[in-house]
Amino acid sequence: DTGVSQNPRHKITKRGQNVTFRCDPISEHNRLYWYRQTLGQGPEFLTYFQNEAQLEKSRLLSDRFSAERPKGSFSTLEIQRTEQGDSAMYLCASSLEAGGLTGELFFGEGSRLTVL
Amino acid sequence: QKEVEQNSGPLSVPEGAIASLNCTYSDRGSQSFFWYRQYSGKSPELIMFIYSNGDKEDGRFTAQLNKASQYVSLLIRDSQPSDSATYLCAVIMFSGGYNKLIFGAGTRLAVHP
Repeated sequence: DTGVSQNPRHKITKRGQNVTFRCDPISEHNRLYWYRQTLGQGPEFLTYFQNEAQLEKSRLLSDRFSAERPKGSFSTLEIQRTEQGDSAMYLCASSLEAGGLTGELFFGEGSRLTVL
Repeated sequence: QKEVEQNSGPLSVPEGAIASLNCTYSDRGSQSFFWYRQYSGKSPELIMFIYSNGDKEDGRFTAQLNKASQYVSLLIRDSQPSDSATYLCAVIMFSGGYNKLIFGAGTRLAVHP
């Protein structure tokens, strides 16, 4: 399977614990995006990378959230001291961009977080 | 005002009818517009994009763009039960020095036999 891969697919944790999600993009894609989606809402932009550089982080993202993409390959999204409001589907997407953003993002199946 | 607005629905249409989905956006400078489809429990997938004013047809799907009115729509002809999904309008917007793809909340479409 050469699509975007995310794991774990489901994570249940207690409030205050740290969680980490991993995303493996399509191998030749240079851009990687993290979005968050709650029930009845569209994907909400969190952050994105061009190769290993994190280009932007949403102002909605608190300091408890951090993302990395070492060596421009896979990416991790860590949430520290989780809160119940963090419960959501975390979607990773990748794209191949030669210049400007084309808008054709390929999404993974998502990692669903439930904070008790 | 939300950056990308859609009626959440559900929009219910009979099989074989035309489904019309609408979207408005706030950034007058936006140039690129997309429709993604998301089946329940699945991730979004791109079905159409449009950059120029007017209509763009692809099979049973037609995207329409009116930049003066900041309005994008998607028409689905001969709707099938398999078209039942949430349709997400997305717009490339420039902010913070970079372009980002911003999604609306989606319109849920239900096609009944």
